[in-house]
Amino acid sequence: AQKVTQAQTEISVVEKEDVTLDCVYETRDTTYYLFWYKQPPSGELVFLIRRNSFDEQNEISGRYSWNFQKSTSSFNFTITASQVVDSAVYFCALSGPSSGTYKYIFGTGTRLKVLA
Amino acid sequence: DAGVIQSPRHEVTEMGQEVTLRCKPISGHDYLFWYRQTMMRGLELLIYFNNNVPIDDSGMPEDRFSAKMPNASFSTLKIQPSEPRDSAVYFCASIGRRGRTDTQYFGPGTRLTVL
Repeated sequence: AQKVTQAQTEISVVEKEDVTLDCVYETRDTTYYLFWYKQPPSGELVFLIRRNSFDEQNEISGRYSWNFQKSTSSFNFTITASQVVDSAVYFCALSGPSSGTYKYIFGTGTRLKVLA
Repeated sequence: DAGVIQSPRHEVTEMGQEVTLRCKPISGHDYLFWYRQTMMRGLELLIYFNNNVPIDDSGMPEDRFSAKMPNASFSTLKIQPSEPRDSAVYFCASIGRRGRTDTQYFGPGTRLTVL
C-alpha cells in the first residue's frame, strides 16, 4: 500500500532560521510522483513542486529546496531564511499506478509557524 | 488562464437542508477530484472523474453524498440531507492529461457550515 508520513505535526521557528520539513513515503511502484503543496492561513492549496521517481536531482527555487532520496524514501523540503509569510501547513503527496495514477496519497501535513 | 473555480465560497445551512457545491475545472483538464478537509480527518478524497465518468467513489462517506459531472466544464457535489458533521472545507481539483501534466490544481474551496 502507498503511504506518506509527515511525522512533524507542528514546527515553530524564528524568522531567518532555516527549517526542514520531512516527508517519508512507502510505495511498491517503480514509477511514481511526489508533490509538495502549501496551505496558507487563507486556506487555498498551492502547488509547489512535482518530482518523478527517476529524477533524483535536488531542486532549488529561491529560498525553497527539495531533497529527494530514493534510498531512504524521503522527499524533504527546506526553507532557507524563513519568513513570516512562510507560515502555513505544508502537505507532501504521492501518486503512482498502484493507487490509481492520478489519485494522490496525502500526508497529514506539517504546520509551520514562523515567528517575527 | 483561469484556475479551478468553486462556488459558493461559503455556505451556511441548517441540518436537513440540501446543499449543492459547484466546480468548474481548468479548461482542457479531463480529471476532476472532490476532497473534504476537516481538522479531525485531514484531507480526504471523496470521488474523482475522468472524462466526466466517475472512476473511484470509495471515499464518498454515505448515500447522502452524490456527485455528478454532466460535462467537461462542470461538476456538482450534493449533500442531501445535510448534517452538522458534514461541516468542512470542500475542495475541487483538476488534472490535464492532454497537457501531459500530472499535477492537481486546486480550487479555493467551499467552506460549509451545517447548523
